[in-house]
Amino acid sequence: SQQGEEDPQALSIQEGENATMNCSYKTSINNLQWYRQNSGRGLVHLILIRSNEREKHSGRLRVTLDTSKKSSSLLITASRAADTASYFCATSHNTDKLIFGTGTRLQVFP
Amino acid sequence: SQTIHQWPATLVQPVGSPLSLECTVEGTSNPNLYWYRQAAGRGLQLLFYSVGIGQISSEVPQNLSASRPQDRQFILSSKKLLLSDSGFYLCACQTGGNEKLFFGSGTQLSVL
Repeated sequence: SQQGEEDPQALSIQEGENATMNCSYKTSINNLQWYRQNSGRGLVHLILIRSNEREKHSGRLRVTLDTSKKSSSLLITASRAADTASYFCATSHNTDKLIFGTGTRLQVFP
Repeated sequence: SQTIHQWPATLVQPVGSPLSLECTVEGTSNPNLYWYRQAAGRGLQLLFYSVGIGQISSEVPQNLSASRPQDRQFILSSKKLLLSDSGFYLCACQTGGNEKLFFGSGTQLSVL
């Protein structure tokens, strides 16, 4: 299966701490994307990193990509209670399809 | 920017009954359209995708079918629902060469 795997499955932290989530995948990719999902809602796109990029920033988000290890990480700095959600990585493999990982459930306590 | 309408938000259906979930897109043309299913607390499974009217690709063998009768309309159907069809169904679109997906708000389907 091409599906990515996020690690950890669940993460609980205090407000102000940093949250790091990891994603591993199995085949070569065009790009890797991270999405956020609030409970019972649709997913919202956060950031896209291409296969020839190694790091990307967007506000409090930092994404890294290591194609040699087939892995990516999402760092949320100075977390807030409003960051509580599930986070998914998704990979594109030379087609129009996006294959999603299993997600990390992040709980940020005030 | 595009808007995705998905309804209903919640649906409870008996086993063996038919299903029709509709997704419509506004604010764009020629989108790629997708149906995903999400089991409780799990990741997303791609069910169908479409790159144009009447063009449907199925990702997994199952009890469901999809149709695209118009450019911005994507329908998910079943003739007879199974218990295993329960889940959260999400419609998504991809437009204008933009690689990111925009999602609808989802339909929570419970088959009893």
